[in-house]
Amino acid sequence: DGGITQSPKYLFRKEGQNVTLSCEQNLNHDAMYWYRQDPGQGLRLIYYSQIVNDFQKGDIAEGYSVSREKKESFPLTVTSAQKNPTAFYLCASSTLPASGANVLTFGAGSRLTVL
Amino acid sequence: AQTVTQSQPEMSVQEAETVTLSCTYDTSESDYYLFWYKQPPSRQMILVIRQEAYKQQNATENRFSVNFQKAAKSFSLKISDSQLGDAAMYFCAYRSAYGSEKLVFGKGTKLTVNP
Repeated sequence: DGGITQSPKYLFRKEGQNVTLSCEQNLNHDAMYWYRQDPGQGLRLIYYSQIVNDFQKGDIAEGYSVSREKKESFPLTVTSAQKNPTAFYLCASSTLPASGANVLTFGAGSRLTVL
Repeated sequence: AQTVTQSQPEMSVQEAETVTLSCTYDTSESDYYLFWYKQPPSRQMILVIRQEAYKQQNATENRFSVNFQKAAKSFSLKISDSQLGDAAMYFCAYRSAYGSEKLVFGKGTKLTVNP
C-alpha cells in the first residue's frame, strides 16, 4: 500500500543531542513537509520541499534542519539549538503544485521526548 | 497573515446524533481553500472534507458536510449520525489559492462520541 512511513514512533533524547526523524513516502509525491504539533496547538510548519535538493523554511525552522537527497525521503534533524524539542512531529506529502486544493497525506507521526 | 480559530476546545455528542464544529478564519484574500482534517487516537491526520472559496455550494462527504459562510469567514463542520469512530481531534485549515504551499491550522476541537 502506498503511504508515508515515519520512524521511530517514539524517541527519547538527552539535552544537547541531535536526533534525526525519518520520513519515507512511496506515493511518488514531489512535495514533502514537516509539521510540529504541541498539546492544545494546531500544526506548525517547520520545513517543506517541492523538489530534490531544494527546501524552504516554514514558520518555526530555527533549531531544525532537513535534507532532500531523494524524492522519497525527507529526514528532519532536531538539533541541540532547538530550545523546546519535546513534541509530536508529523511528516506529510502532496502532489504538485503544492498549493491550492491539493491534499496532504500524513504519516503516523513521531513522538520526541527530551529527558 | 491568515489565522484560523476553533473556539470549541472540546465537544461531545451522543451516538447517532448530529454535532457541529465551529471554525472561523481571517484573511484578506478572495480565493482560498478550506479543509477539515481528523486526527484519531492513532494520531494520523486524515482529510475529512475540503471547500473551495469560489464555490457557493457547500461540500458534502457522506455524513460530513460544511456550512461555508464566506462573508462571515465561517466554515463549520456538521457530522450527522455520529459514530464511535468519529471520536477524534478535528482541525480546520486554510490555504491560499495564490501559490502558497502552507496550510494554516486551527488549534483543534476534541470530539467525544458517547454510546
